[in-house]
This record gives sequence, C-alpha cells and structure tokens, in this order.
Amino acid sequence: AQSVTQLGSHVSVSEGALVLLRCNYSSSVPPYLFWYVQYPNQGLQLLLKYTTGATLVKGINGFEAEFKKSETSFHLTKPSAHMSDAAEYFCAVSSNTGNQFYFGTGTSLTVIP
Amino acid sequence: KAGVTQTPRYLIKTRGQQVTLSCSPISGHRSVSWYQQTPGQGLQFLFEYFSETQRNKGNFPGRFSGRQFSNSRSEMNVSTLELGDSALYLCASSPTTSGEQYFGPGTRLTVT
Repeated sequence: AQSVTQLGSHVSVSEGALVLLRCNYSSSVPPYLFWYVQYPNQGLQLLLKYTTGATLVKGINGFEAEFKKSETSFHLTKPSAHMSDAAEYFCAVSSNTGNQFYFGTGTSLTVIP
Repeated sequence: KAGVTQTPRYLIKTRGQQVTLSCSPISGHRSVSWYQQTPGQGLQFLFEYFSETQRNKGNFPGRFSGRQFSNSRSEMNVSTLELGDSALYLCASSPTTSGEQYFGPGTRLTVT
C-alpha cells in the first residue's frame, strides 16, 4: 500500500525566506515521488520528480527536493520565496508498476511581502 | 506539443442527470487517468486507462465510469448525479506505463 502525508496544510513565509514543504511517504515497493503545484482554477503542474538515481532532484522555478529513504521523506525546498510561489503544493507517490498516483492533502503556501 | 485538454471547462447539471466529460491527452501518451478534487476530500483517484483498457480503479461507486478510445482520448461518465459529485474533475496523461503525469485544466462540475 502507498500513501503520502503532507505536514502542514498551510505554510506562510516572507518573501525572500526559505520555503520548506514537508512530505513523508509510505510504500511497500521502491517509489516514484513527485511534487506538483496548483494555481487557482488550474490543473496541476509538475515541479519535479524522483524515480531512480540522484537523491537530490532539481525542478522548475528554483525548487528542489531530496529523497531520503531512511526517513521516508521527500521534502520540497526553495532558498528564496517569491510572491509568485503562492499556490497549493501536492506531493504524490506511485509505484513503478503502474500509473496509480496517491496524492497528499496539499499544502497551501502563502508568501508575505 | 499541445497539453492535455479537457472539455467542457465548466458544467452545471441537476441532480439525477448524467454527464460526460472528455479528455484529450498529449500526443503520444497512451495512459490517461482521472481524478476528482474537492475541498473536503482532496485529490482522489478515479481510474486509469492504458491502450483502451482500464488498468486501475479507485474507490468510487459504479455511477462513475470511463472509457478510452483507440486514439487515446478518454471520456468519463457520471450517472444519476448527486450534490456531492460537485467537484473539479482532472484528467492526466502519461507517456509511459509509469512515470510523471501531465494534468489538464480540469472540468468544474456543479450539481444543483
């Protein structure tokens, strides 16, 4: 069985501050891990993904995430928040045997000017 | 390449009616998945199709059904609509049997 837990449904940071969004996963098989962003009234946009290989993954818009198997975590970070980063962020896990994704409940990021 | 397209973007139906939503995947993508997104339940997986076959199914009642055509376009149907079916329905396509999914803008369904 697979699942994702996102700690913190709402996160507020000041513009220019570090962004840290937490994601822990549960998977009985080697997982594929993803972060998506959703802006109001839009679909989800892929930020980054981890499948195999390097555990530090760089994505779009300056975001990156590190896969830590020992901690079953895949936290999303960005060194300096921008106003345009305000959105809903979703962590997701899938197995390498199919396309069924399991999404976390999402974290709403607010950036304070 | 054009992205995933969904039609219609907005839909208003009354209880008891049925509705059909359409999704055109990115060219070359053979896997199409459907999700329901609501404020209370978040993103919930409905089903996934690959090469016209339903490969995975989420925990939804039989009123929710789907199909995929030979050109990979997919439709989902909801019969006997209930107020609780009001949601954003998202379609996603994938280029491989496992891997990242690319989402469409969604269809906002309102049931009155």
